[in-house]
Amino acid sequence: EDKVVQSPLSLVVHEGDTVTLNCSYEVTNFRSLLWYKQEKKAPTFLFMLTSSGIEKKSGRLSSILDKKELFSILNITATQTGDSAVYLCAVEPNTGNQFYFGTGTSLTVIP
Amino acid sequence: DTAVSQTPKYLVTQMGNDKSIKCEQNLGHDTMYWYKQDSKKFLKIMFSYNNKELIINETVPNRFSPKSPDKAHLNLHINSLELGDSAVYFCASSPRASGRSTDTQYFGPGTRLTVL
Repeated sequence: EDKVVQSPLSLVVHEGDTVTLNCSYEVTNFRSLLWYKQEKKAPTFLFMLTSSGIEKKSGRLSSILDKKELFSILNITATQTGDSAVYLCAVEPNTGNQFYFGTGTSLTVIP
Repeated sequence: DTAVSQTPKYLVTQMGNDKSIKCEQNLGHDTMYWYKQDSKKFLKIMFSYNNKELIINETVPNRFSPKSPDKAHLNLHINSLELGDSAVYFCASSPRASGRSTDTQYFGPGTRLTVL
């Protein structure tokens, strides 16, 4: 059965800490993996990963995919209170008809 | 035991037709949502319903109308389909009302709509 599992479920850190969020997946005929940041409204798109080993970076956020071990990590360095959100991982199979979302990691950054 | 389910999984139709996408959640959540994912993977919120009350409508054309027969269902009806409506539509649910918490939203698998 296709599925996406994120860990940890929740995380509380202090400003300035570095965090690593995990997303592991089992999906038939993988096409892409997406990371979203969700605050109060619609999730905000962060990254789309399709190839192993190529890091994608945006400011303090970076992400990498391992298609052999079937996981991705999202790193956030020098965390700020504005990073507090739920981070969602979603995987798209080659059929292109469905996405599988994880239940997210709830990150709280305290001053 | 799918938590949030959508039907159909994919939908191919002609311009001008009217179609519906159904969504059901068995989580007992209070709020349900519809999102449109564009070609760049951005998710744009269209509607959310909390206990049958529409609480968000983000400048969506009135050709789109959500219908919630009960708390577990939020269907999306689209009139006079246009080419630009082609996208993946996601349904989601969360335990509490949007704007009061950052509860995780549980997403359905999506419906890929193609308008010819």
